[in-house]
Amino acid sequence: ETGVTQTPRHLVMGMTNKKSLKCEQHLGHNAMYWYKQSAKKPLELMFVYSLEERVENNSVPSRFSPECPNSSHLFLHLHTLQPEDSALYLCASSQMLGFRLSQGEAFFGQGTRLTVV
Amino acid sequence: DQQVKQNSPSLSVQEGRISILNCDYTNSMFDYFLWYKKYPAEGPTFLISISSIKDKNEDGRFTVFLNKSAKHLSLHIVPSQPGDSAVYFCAASGGGYQKVTFGTGTKLQVIP
Repeated sequence: ETGVTQTPRHLVMGMTNKKSLKCEQHLGHNAMYWYKQSAKKPLELMFVYSLEERVENNSVPSRFSPECPNSSHLFLHLHTLQPEDSALYLCASSQMLGFRLSQGEAFFGQGTRLTVV
Repeated sequence: DQQVKQNSPSLSVQEGRISILNCDYTNSMFDYFLWYKKYPAEGPTFLISISSIKDKNEDGRFTVFLNKSAKHLSLHIVPSQPGDSAVYFCAASGGGYQKVTFGTGTKLQVIP
């Protein structure tokens, strides 16, 4: 248990559905991240929030829409996804931007395994 | 363009022996390197890190070596234990707001 909780753990959705992934941390961290892990690819950074402000949008298609209503919660809203969007979506948080120990290491959630059919 | 490369997708090692996982990077702006470990159905967990001002960092059975001139780092696990069987991700950060770039991972299997 890392202190970062993601729900749901598994999600199957059709290409016309709208769903949301949720990430929650009560570690007092100020930065939160969404990563995508596809098979045989590096973890890809999707979005970064610092103090609830988006600081990075890594050329992610608009069918992925993040939301950070407060420093403890991060959402990823999904709509009209494609089968190639099937992947493990990981949320992480860190005390400050970056993963350096001097700023507090980053903690990952267990991920949401998304399958788009 | 992959800036952090882990060229070995998998590695098998006998219990008690040394495991050596390798990582190469291309971006000379990277100045901080991390290793994360991931078990199936779990998120990655931080293992060990090293700053570019050092060439070695040790934590128990885990040692990370950094060769800046070769843009290469390695993780040594001695002695390897079956519980070390997992996927190991190398990551690097530097420049800007220290965006972290991950490698593709190496799956380590420690055979009892």
